[in-house]
Amino acid sequence: DQQVKQNSPSLSVQEGRISILNCDYTNSMFDYFLWYKKYPAEGPTFLISISSIKDKNEDGRFTVFLNKSAKHLSLHIVPSQPGDSAVYFCAASAPGGGADGLTFGKGTHLIIQP
Amino acid sequence: EPEVTQTPSHQVTQMGQEVILRCVPISNHLYFYWYRQILGQKVEFLVSFYNNEISEKSEIFDDQFSVERPDGSNFTLKIRSTKLEDSAMYFCASSVGPVREQYFGPGTRLTVT
Repeated sequence: DQQVKQNSPSLSVQEGRISILNCDYTNSMFDYFLWYKKYPAEGPTFLISISSIKDKNEDGRFTVFLNKSAKHLSLHIVPSQPGDSAVYFCAASAPGGGADGLTFGKGTHLIIQP
Repeated sequence: EPEVTQTPSHQVTQMGQEVILRCVPISNHLYFYWYRQILGQKVEFLVSFYNNEISEKSEIFDDQFSVERPDGSNFTLKIRSTKLEDSAMYFCASSVGPVREQYFGPGTRLTVT
């Protein structure tokens, strides 16, 4: 039961260009979305989040877009840098009234080519 | 910058043994979580904890699992009788509020033989 789907296992982008990572979800109760970056042998590192009341959130080189009608979000990284090479996870949360667990996608391995 | 810490980084145990994984959440955070990632699979939510009690738990978090905040700083995950399929990376996370960004520790690799 994949409630959060990242359909691209890997993505290769040239340094300096834009990286676009995509995520789809099926649970219409999700109202908060997050992107995490993960290096091997480390824990996920929080990058950026967006609430369902917004359609865009920007933080430096990172922008997240949310299309609620399509149940789709994307992460844009501009310009891409070699240090951005990592696995990127999309995660979502539904309101439960307490400490809500995140539902993660399987991740996309981003490779930045010099 | 404050961070979540976890010990040990790697734990090897025999099937049927009890293990305790330890975490120190970020000091001003009030919500605590455990996740696991089996090799090659996605990160899965196990349990969340707030105000000294479990807030939410997943189907994975059965009677073999328990969590505790034994003092003001530590947050532990106990697996009572480990199985081979418990082998995974276990991540602890914490957050300021219930619908806020969760910050993850570096993980404990649990290997059950």
